[in-house]
Amino acid sequence: DIQMTQSPSSLSASVGDRVTITCQASQDINNYLNWYQVKPGKAPKLLIYDASNLKPGVPSRFSASGSGTDFSFVISSLQPEDMATYYCQQYENPPYSFGQGTKVDIK
Amino acid sequence: QVQMVESGGGLVKPGGSLRLSCAASGFTFSDYYMYWIRQAPGKGLECIIYVSSSGATIYYADSVRGRFTLSRDNAKNSLYLQMSSLRAEDTAVYYCAREESDLVGAIDSWGQGTLVTVSS
Repeated sequence: DIQMTQSPSSLSASVGDRVTITCQASQDINNYLNWYQVKPGKAPKLLIYDASNLKPGVPSRFSASGSGTDFSFVISSLQPEDMATYYCQQYENPPYSFGQGTKVDIK
Repeated sequence: QVQMVESGGGLVKPGGSLRLSCAASGFTFSDYYMYWIRQAPGKGLECIIYVSSSGATIYYADSVRGRFTLSRDNAKNSLYLQMSSLRAEDTAVYYCAREESDLVGAIDSWGQGTLVTVSS
């Protein structure tokens, strides 16, 4: 199985701050990476697919980049509604493994 | 509306067995790839099973391969997860999830989950 290493595990930032999360794959996954936002009691919400494509309807403050084994996810200006846990997920090889998650809190 | 309802969770002793079910409704079940995803207490998401729309192809995570067996019944719009040789580390909420039709790997909905607790 492909291992996904995500960091940090948690962070606390102020409204308006820029937030960066990284995700590293144990092998080359090309650009087969999703980023999700998960709030308690809700299904994961897909934000980014193919490593850098913003899903239609997702605010443009969310972005991501990377390919191969190293990826990053950015919230350019953190908003109160962005408080959630964020996960990367590879879909190069099934079953499609997730990173450990990053819990984002608002200071 | 799209709905998945998981059932069958509970308390089981280490080494024991349990069978989970996922009943889907509100969509053409036979058209979709499906997942079982679990979340241990205080931990992140773990994708343990990925099954093709027909059920002919099933992928298992290393952590459950050889102990868990999935079956899919498209006539009953259901997934069944037979879990055996259960360990403490299998304690988690188990979710049945649907893959979005247009985006490989993308989850677009899941159920409320069912809690499995493995403890003596």
